[in-house]
Amino acid sequence: SQQGEEDPQALSIQEGENATMNCSYKTSINNLQWYRQNSGRGLVHLILIRSNEREKHSGRLRVTLDTSKKSSSLLITASRAADTASYFCAPSRWGKLVFGAGTILRVKS
Amino acid sequence: DTGVSQDPRHKITKRGQNVTFRCDPISEHNRLYWYRQTLGQGPEFLTYFQNEAQLEKSRLLSDRFSAERPKGSFSTLEIQRTEQGDSAMYLCASSSLQVSGANVLTFGAGSRLTVL
Repeated sequence: SQQGEEDPQALSIQEGENATMNCSYKTSINNLQWYRQNSGRGLVHLILIRSNEREKHSGRLRVTLDTSKKSSSLLITASRAADTASYFCAPSRWGKLVFGAGTILRVKS
Repeated sequence: DTGVSQDPRHKITKRGQNVTFRCDPISEHNRLYWYRQTLGQGPEFLTYFQNEAQLEKSRLLSDRFSAERPKGSFSTLEIQRTEQGDSAMYLCASSSLQVSGANVLTFGAGSRLTVL
């Protein structure tokens, strides 16, 4: 299906460490996006990677995309307590985004 | 422009009643999406519009759910004969489809529905 599936379901790290989250999907896509959701809040867009791109950076975020394996990863470097949130990948196909269950990241200070 | 607005923010209703949610997207955005989210889960796709045309409706959605976007501006999501299983956060998002095909969603804060 188009739905992204994130792994791990939950991740707990110390402040300053790196956090890596993975996403797998099953259909062809136009792009893949990552979003963050703080507890009780709406989702916020983090980064978009197009299907013809392999890697993209934005500040402390690094996203990779392997369309042959239908997978993506999100790396957050030098994590901060404020990065504590749920992270969702959303494969996009013809404008429709389907979200997975997300990865809950907890950064301990 | 203050972003995507949703109203009401909270709605408590009794089983069997009808409820309607409203979403006002970012004015220049031509696409509007509805999602439903329950605790611990990701947003579940319900439907989306390009201007006033409804492009797709989830097959998981029963006939009790209907959405409209008259004139391609605000949208309403109506749930008829609510059931306890409808209790969730209903999220609206809008986007402007780029020539490149990229479409970044801006989400509203959501409308939380509790069905007693």
